[in-house]
Amino acid sequence: AQTVTQSQPEMSVQEAETVTLSCTYDTSESNYYLFWYKQPPSRQMILVIRQEAYKQQNATENRFSVNFQKAAKSFSLKISDSQLGDTAMYFCAFMNNNDMRFGAGTRLTVKP
Amino acid sequence: DGGITQSPKYLFRKEGQNVTLSCEQNLNHDAMYWYRQDPGQGLRLIYYSQIVNDFQKGDIAEGYSVSREKKESFPLTVTSAQKNPTAFYLCASSTSLAGGQETQYFGPGTRLLVL
Repeated sequence: AQTVTQSQPEMSVQEAETVTLSCTYDTSESNYYLFWYKQPPSRQMILVIRQEAYKQQNATENRFSVNFQKAAKSFSLKISDSQLGDTAMYFCAFMNNNDMRFGAGTRLTVKP
Repeated sequence: DGGITQSPKYLFRKEGQNVTLSCEQNLNHDAMYWYRQDPGQGLRLIYYSQIVNDFQKGDIAEGYSVSREKKESFPLTVTSAQKNPTAFYLCASSTSLAGGQETQYFGPGTRLLVL
């Protein structure tokens, strides 16, 4: 079974700085998708970024980018120019054949 | 404006009572999902449905039941057999399952508390 590990339960960053959240996963599949979701205090799950495993190029969405290392089964999220509104829980997720597995989450606090 | 709605936002259950959580989507998505979120844990899949009148158990289906009579609606019933129902429940939907890798979009969630 696929598992997703987020080794950083909590992190903090100063406003305008850059922070990287870690995620590793375990799978024997070769075709899969990876996601980062954000859950702010409202608890709404919001898609941040998505990466197809067959693509070598790392996905980017404005200030959010990933470092996808397929051989190492690593999928980290980099947030540049952190803003107060980035304060949230961040969940890494793995999907294969519509079976989605989530990590336990990293609580990120952006400090003014 | 398209999206996924869940109601109620908060729900209280008495001992031995069944309660039903609503999930509706107007995104014309084929697949719908129910997840449970507990503190300090990621989301766990309860049930999912790929098409009307069909649904499958997820990892923690015991004590829950679902129906999918309409494409837009996927209600979840928490039965009295679920001994620890206090949690945050999230509904999600995605487009056709062709290829099996469609992004899931989430509703705002329902917080269930036991009295």
